[in-house]
Amino acid sequence: QKEVEQDPGPLSVPEGAIVSLNCTYSNSAFQYFMWYRQYSRKGPELLMYTYSSGNKEDGRFTAQVDKSSKYISLFIRDSQPSDSATYLCAIASTDSWGKFQFGAGTQVVVTP
Amino acid sequence: GAVVSQHPSRVICKSGTSVKIECRSLDFQATTMFWYRQFPKQSLMLMATSNEGSKATYEQGVEKDKFLINHASLTLSTLTVTSAHPEDSSFYICSARLAGVSYNEQFFGPGTRLTVL
Repeated sequence: QKEVEQDPGPLSVPEGAIVSLNCTYSNSAFQYFMWYRQYSRKGPELLMYTYSSGNKEDGRFTAQVDKSSKYISLFIRDSQPSDSATYLCAIASTDSWGKFQFGAGTQVVVTP
Repeated sequence: GAVVSQHPSRVICKSGTSVKIECRSLDFQATTMFWYRQFPKQSLMLMATSNEGSKATYEQGVEKDKFLINHASLTLSTLTVTSAHPEDSSFYICSARLAGVSYNEQFFGPGTRLTVL
């Protein structure tokens, strides 16, 4: 079993819709949760970072963490065609400081 | 701030040759840099952790004699793929962690696409 599970998609939504992405993880030692966006043939860029259960909002992006269920989510409101990319969740623990476990990445396509 | 560059961005080489990829933190010091490999439509797989002034730590299954890592300064780490073969063709991405911070954040380079013929 992979430590981090993420549906690879593709997920296709119309412009303006809410994009809902999620990951599940198996190790309760994970305490740091990140979401990265990766455009084709580019390196990942950090979107959201959190280390506690609950919601964290940044503009059109909301990250949600439920440690009891080992489930994390990313919501993108008012999606734009420029949001079309692959979104990767990344999780880390203090035991393996700096070593991230990445999800497979979900490809998102926002159609005009 | 927190920009990481990689050079080259793309390289094509013949089987059996060695290829060096550079990873630089441009505006910050990085005591730790990470090297990842990403195959098409797959996620990033950590290859090794590189600490300035010490030997790299390799993940299970990654051959340290094939993937040579040198982290000679706080702003530069290099990955050398020795005797490259077509199966080494992949997207290699480095990341750097800010020195002296307590939070767990990595800044990624733009990646290097290696094609071995």
